[in-house]
Amino acid sequence: EVQLVESGGGLVQPGGSLRLSCAASGFSFSSYSMNWVRQAPGKGLEWVSYISSSSGTIYYADPVKGRFSISRDNAKNSLYLEMNSLRAEDTAVYYCASPNGAGYYSAQHYWGQGTLVTVSS
Amino acid sequence: EIVLTQSPGTLSLSPGERATLSCRASQSVGSSYLAWYQQKPGQAPRLLIYASSSRATGIPDRFSGSGSGTDFTLTISRLEPEDFAVYYCQQYVTSPLTFGAGTKVVIK
Repeated sequence: EVQLVESGGGLVQPGGSLRLSCAASGFSFSSYSMNWVRQAPGKGLEWVSYISSSSGTIYYADPVKGRFSISRDNAKNSLYLEMNSLRAEDTAVYYCASPNGAGYYSAQHYWGQGTLVTVSS
Repeated sequence: EIVLTQSPGTLSLSPGERATLSCRASQSVGSSYLAWYQQKPGQAPRLLIYASSSRATGIPDRFSGSGSGTDFTLTISRLEPEDFAVYYCQQYVTSPLTFGAGTKVVIK
């Protein structure tokens, strides 16, 4: 069974930093591309970042470009999101999500339960 | 960026009724690059339909998707109590990946 478990969320002040993690199990993590998707309270879904299976291709949404950094460790079956210069508008539940295989242009078949990031003073 | 417009914003129906949800794209997404997700309160989204009309693993056949180009439809043939939720469409033909604002299906 595919499992994605996020951690690392919490309360952080504006301008602060946070590192999210996503532990994957039940599938061949090193063969799958991964994404981060967020959802502000009471709002819809917003794609944040993508990383290919080998980390060779990375994309970011414009609102986070230059502030967030996605990475992965295939030996540890883990995905990360380093978030810097956080703003109030980054407050959201952050989900890791994966297509059923590799590729950016794919539906997201698997989702974690999410971790809440709150940016507030 | 492709903008997806979902309608209606809220759909009020009774169990057993048919639900028809619409997703319109600001430019063509072809016939293979649109997905539908279901989200219940406090839960992660769940993939229902990908490639416009293919059901994801474990999804009941009362859920069906159709459409191509800029107009897509998710149909729930007979609503079950567990189907009352928010539904999102998503395009993955161009970057950035984008989602619609959602349609909330509520019990009448």
